[in-house]
Amino acid sequence: SQQGEEDPQALSIQEGENATMNCSYKTSINNLQWYRQNSGRGLVHLILIRSNEREKHSGRLRVTLDTSKKSSSLLITASRAADTASYFCATAVSGYSTLTFGKGTMLLVSP
Amino acid sequence: DGGITQSPKYLFRKEGQNVTLSCEQNLNHDAMYWYRQDPGQGLRLIYYSQIVNDFQKGDIAEGYSVSREKKESFPLTVTSAQKNPTAFYLCATRGTVNTGELFFGEGSRLTVL
Repeated sequence: SQQGEEDPQALSIQEGENATMNCSYKTSINNLQWYRQNSGRGLVHLILIRSNEREKHSGRLRVTLDTSKKSSSLLITASRAADTASYFCATAVSGYSTLTFGKGTMLLVSP
Repeated sequence: DGGITQSPKYLFRKEGQNVTLSCEQNLNHDAMYWYRQDPGQGLRLIYYSQIVNDFQKGDIAEGYSVSREKKESFPLTVTSAQKNPTAFYLCATRGTVNTGELFFGEGSRLTVL
């Protein structure tokens, strides 16, 4: 079964707006990662947050992790049309385990 | 260029035929993975290998086989026993087994006619 579940399944916004995607998971984790996938392409790693971290930033990306609620959020600020893609969260239950992916959020940013 | 090369990008197969998808990497990564992606299903793990000559089944290994004879190569065979093989297949590597990020190839789309 999927460990992570993203919400919403699809999100449509205008350029310049912020986009927020959420990920919930079921068991304790070692780390949580976010990936991006353009249509028909491979996934690209965006950011990794460890279970002892609460927030991380990378450029226009901000990720939060709430282990008490077993949830994470990905915020993309000042969205651009080029941000249009699917975004996946992936969890690792231990440092050596494989990653388990959610079903993704499809983001559409209109010019 | 450094990276992961998957081939072919598109593949058509008749029912009952085995097909092999290629995954080659020059990142010198030990761990390699095969995922299957279906619309609305996210990624599901088929097989993975953390070292040459060793591999483990993932969540949906039935109907698939792999080999890891070289560090650079991790081919996936979709056998005729796989009941619904039409999907997008993604190969990935991991530089650091402990909490490392995955690096993905561009994928192979298999369609069974």
